[in-house]
Amino acid sequence: KQEVTQIPAALSVPEGENLVLNCSFTDSAIYNLQWFRQDPGKGLTSLLLIQSSQREQTSGRLNASLDKSSGRSTLYIAASQPGDSATYLCAVTLSGNTPLVFGKGTRLSVIA
Amino acid sequence: DAMVIQNPRYQVTQFGKPVTLSCSQTLNHNVMYWYQQKSSQAPKLLFHYYDKDFNNEADTPDNFQSRRPNTSFCFLDIRSPGLGDAAMYLCATSSLTGADSPLHFGNGTRLTVT
Repeated sequence: KQEVTQIPAALSVPEGENLVLNCSFTDSAIYNLQWFRQDPGKGLTSLLLIQSSQREQTSGRLNASLDKSSGRSTLYIAASQPGDSATYLCAVTLSGNTPLVFGKGTRLSVIA
Repeated sequence: DAMVIQNPRYQVTQFGKPVTLSCSQTLNHNVMYWYQQKSSQAPKLLFHYYDKDFNNEADTPDNFQSRRPNTSFCFLDIRSPGLGDAAMYLCATSSLTGADSPLHFGNGTRLTVT
């Protein structure tokens, strides 16, 4: 059974810092991996999707990397801003017809 | 804008009183999902539909049922809500176009059981 772990559970950084969020998964035979953002009391917003054949994806100040063999992904946020404060969730799927398995997320606070 | 819309945003029901949550989408996606998310927990998949093909997760309680009358709408029925069913319920959609198919979520319905 696929399990997804995110460390740390919570992180607080001063504005302007670069930071890395970590995600690990137990079954390396994934189909794709997605990073999501969730604001309090809201749904999830897809940030980046990395297909199994890819090593990384970038969107603005966000960069997600994937190392399938080690079962790890990282989300790098450059020059963090208070508006980046949210919970960031990682999720993987084993096939195109298999739903996502989520981690519990990392709650990020960026202090002005 | 194309989107996933959940109604209501907040729902309060009494212990044992049936409740229905709704989800609609304008993305014309084949796949629709219902997730349950409790505080500081990962979203937990309850059901998903590939078109009209219904898939029930093995550990989803019998108390939860779902309907998808057409591509655009999906409903979550809780027949006899218990206090443990208080949670955020999230609807999501995706297309069946291979690996490059991110999930699109609604803003959720926060269910309170009194």
